[in-house]
Amino acid sequence: EPEVTQTPSHQVTQMGQEVILRCVPISNHLYFYWYRQILGQKVEFLVSFYNNEISEKSEIFDDQFSVERPDGSNFTLKIRSTKLEDSAMYFCASSRTGRGGTDTQYFGPGTRLTVL
Amino acid sequence: QQQVKQSPQSLIVQKGGISIINCAYENTAFDYFPWYQQFPGKGPALLIAIRPDVSEKKEGRFTISFNKSAKQFSLHIMDSQPGDSATYFCAASIGNFGNEKLTFGTGTRLTIIP
Repeated sequence: EPEVTQTPSHQVTQMGQEVILRCVPISNHLYFYWYRQILGQKVEFLVSFYNNEISEKSEIFDDQFSVERPDGSNFTLKIRSTKLEDSAMYFCASSRTGRGGTDTQYFGPGTRLTVL
Repeated sequence: QQQVKQSPQSLIVQKGGISIINCAYENTAFDYFPWYQQFPGKGPALLIAIRPDVSEKKEGRFTISFNKSAKQFSLHIMDSQPGDSATYFCAASIGNFGNEKLTFGTGTRLTIIP
């Protein structure tokens, strides 16, 4: 069964450093998402991406964050200057269409980001 | 208004019993209500979902009950098994094409004891 993959599984970085989290969505999917989950809290939407542009972003997704689909398979989340509060599990998700009523968002296993 | 409130935070049920998790929402524009199951170290996985035009949906041991007037929906797990031990999240989204962000509840840690 196709699945969303994410690398690395765990990333440790120093505050102020840039990190890039990588995702490979399911191959025939067209809509891509990033969510994050701070330890013990709920999953929060960050950004959705379709047709090489951002569809929607949350208030969490400020100028320190960016997303890119650099080729036909990868989808990346970049945090330019990490803060302690960026420590969380970051999930990538993809769906075949953007129509949630008839389609499913499939989540990857996540990247645990630890900012020291 | 975008929040989805979920209860209880944790739940312990004996094997064979019924597990019930409740969610409530405010935004009447929500029109898709999925439940996700998450095991430790894994991403959330879709379990079952419902649209507001039906009041109940059943898939195997899992049932969603939906009360549109009360803006509440719940997950029932019948004959709960130890393998059901996981964290469950309710979620909601608005069906605008290309704008399907999920708003999650706070999660319920379910433990099924023998």
